[in-house]
Amino acid sequence: KAGVTQTPRYLIKTRGQQVTLSCSPISGHRSVSWYQQTPGQGLQFLFEYFSETQRNKGNFPGRFSGRQFSNSRSEMNVSTLELGDSALYLCATSTTGNRNTEAFFGQGTRLTVV
Amino acid sequence: QKEVEQNSGPLSVPEGAIASLNCTYSDRGSQSFFWYRQYSGKSPELIMFIYSNGDKEDGRFTAQLNKASQYVSLLIRDSQPSDSATYLCAVNPWTSGTYKYIFGTGTRLKVLA
Repeated sequence: KAGVTQTPRYLIKTRGQQVTLSCSPISGHRSVSWYQQTPGQGLQFLFEYFSETQRNKGNFPGRFSGRQFSNSRSEMNVSTLELGDSALYLCATSTTGNRNTEAFFGQGTRLTVV
Repeated sequence: QKEVEQNSGPLSVPEGAIASLNCTYSDRGSQSFFWYRQYSGKSPELIMFIYSNGDKEDGRFTAQLNKASQYVSLLIRDSQPSDSATYLCAVNPWTSGTYKYIFGTGTRLKVLA
């Protein structure tokens, strides 16, 4: 059974640019969550999607957005990149995201903003 | 108060000893609890989950949950140097339609050979 696939694995972008990250969930998983991980802040929740609907959003500025497609694949977009956006971006997928469901992480996309 | 709290460590234990990792959470309505292991530069890997009060064992790992005390722990028996990693506690509150996992900042474990 294939795991969660995130692409690309590494990205280097310049301040002011925008970036799109992709997450393909485990087959049968319809909930996709996105997290930002930095050494100082740990794992910070960005948003969660289920059946193409955003059900939850974390405390991030509007420059961070996402969407989910009918095949449950999800993308997140960061516009007008800032140096502080440099981080490991992780997606986690689960069957429903409801209670008593386990979430599995992809390998992450390491974004460096210069 | 942070929603999920863990001691950052490092927790150092000798090889073969029991490592005890602790986590407290603030939302009394929390329903499910997870332990992830994260090696440096890698993504978190799910190692245990527990939904009911009491103990749950899986190989060398035992998760313990006490909802009254809002406390969850992970015991690693016969610790090995390969267990050296950061252990993340995560909680799925699943209240008021909240669909997210809340993570602690992790405890760094060092198993000394």
